[in-house]
Amino acid sequence: EAGVAQSPRYKIIEKRQSVAFWCNPISGHATLYWYQQILGQGPKLLIQFQNNGVVDDSQLPKDRFSAERLKGVDSTLKIQPAKLEDSAVYLCASSLGAGNTIYFGEGSWLTVV
Amino acid sequence: SQQGEEDPQALSIQEGENATMNCSYKTSINNLQWYRQNSGRGLVHLILIRSNEREKHSGRLRVTLDTSKKSSSLLITASRAADTASYFCATDGGGAQKLVFGQGTRLTINP
Repeated sequence: EAGVAQSPRYKIIEKRQSVAFWCNPISGHATLYWYQQILGQGPKLLIQFQNNGVVDDSQLPKDRFSAERLKGVDSTLKIQPAKLEDSAVYLCASSLGAGNTIYFGEGSWLTVV
Repeated sequence: SQQGEEDPQALSIQEGENATMNCSYKTSINNLQWYRQNSGRGLVHLILIRSNEREKHSGRLRVTLDTSKKSSSLLITASRAADTASYFCATDGGGAQKLVFGQGTRLTINP
């Protein structure tokens, strides 16, 4: 079974530029998550989708971050404009739903210079 | 905000020894999940333990859960160099199933 796919794996951009990350969850998984993990810390939830609807985006900095899951499968996370403190790993995860295991992708590593 | 708090923050042991990591949390949960993260990699799921379970095993891993103390422990027996990684506990408080992670324990196995 294929896992959660993410791209790109690595990205270096200058501050004030924009970047987009893509995620393809495990087939059949209705719930999709984007987490931000700053070096040395645990992952922090940015946004959670159930199919193509947003369940929780309370910790998403909406002035610069946006995410969509238009057809209820793939998802894109965008940052515009990027700040130095956005340097982190952006982890996508998916699950069948409540009470089930949540599976993570390898992450997209962002460095803002 | 972080829900789980892992203890210790860092642990260094000799190969072959057992490693124990603890996790405490604040609110009621539906389940608690343990993950491993190798340097530069994503999170690998290890074990999910539900709130009505007290202990689960998977190979060399043993997880306990004490809901009265709001704590869990992960035991790795007969450690190997390949077990060197960061270990995170994450709590699922139910409802929309949002995993909240702790800061992790950095485990180093010395050959």
